[in-house]
Amino acid sequence: QKEVEQDPGPLSVPEGAIVSLNCTYSNSAFQYFMWYRQYSRKGPELLMYTYSSGNKEDGRFTAQVDKSSKYISLFIRDSQPSDSATYLCAMRDGQNFVFGPGTRLSVLP
Amino acid sequence: GAVVSQHPSWVICKSGTSVKIECRSLDFQATTMFWYRQFPKQSLMLMATSNEGSKATYEQGVEKDKFLINHASLTLSTLTVTSAHPEDSSFYICSARIPSASSYNEQFFGPGTRLTVL
Repeated sequence: QKEVEQDPGPLSVPEGAIVSLNCTYSNSAFQYFMWYRQYSRKGPELLMYTYSSGNKEDGRFTAQVDKSSKYISLFIRDSQPSDSATYLCAMRDGQNFVFGPGTRLSVLP
Repeated sequence: GAVVSQHPSWVICKSGTSVKIECRSLDFQATTMFWYRQFPKQSLMLMATSNEGSKATYEQGVEKDKFLINHASLTLSTLTVTSAHPEDSSFYICSARIPSASSYNEQFFGPGTRLTVL
C-alpha cells in the first residue's frame, strides 16, 4: 500500500460545478496536510494547508481533514476553467514530506 | 510571499555532457532545499535533500555520483546532472523551506527546469 493515495483522474467537470478531490493515507503520524496546484510545465504552488483534523476555507476552496479516517479532501466551489490543473495533496510528520500522485482536473467552459 | 527561482527554465544537451541547474531563494534564507524530478503526468519524486554547508541526503535509488548537489550558501543550491543520458530527460523542480519557530515549515517551489538529453 502506498503511503499516500490519490485518484489520478483525469477529472472533467463543467464550469460552475463543485469539485471534490481526495487523498487517503496510511501514516497516522502525519499532522500537516497541504494541497498544491500545478499547472502544466510549472512548479507546484501551495493552495491550502491544515493542521490536524478540521476544515479550512479560503475563498472558493475548502480543505477538510479527517484524521480518524486518514482522509483529506479539497473542495472547489464554482469551478472555473482557470482551475484546470493537477492537484497534489501533501502531508508531513516532522521532517518527512510526502506527496500524493496528483489528480488532473479539467474544468470545461 | 517567498519566491524561489530556477535557472535555466529549459535546457537541451547532448548525451554524455553535464548540466547544472541552479535553485535560488530570492527573498529568504533557506537552510534546506529539496530537489525533485517529475516525469510527464506523474507526481513529484524526491531526489535529495540539500542542507546548507553539509552533504546532501539522497533518496534510495538516486545515484549521488550522477546527480551532484551543492548547497554552498543560504540562498543557492545547484544540481548537476553528470554524463547525462536520454533517460535523464525530465522536469526537475527544487523547493526551499523557510525555517521558522513554527513546526509547520512550508515548502516553496521553483518553476522547474525541463531537461532534454538528445
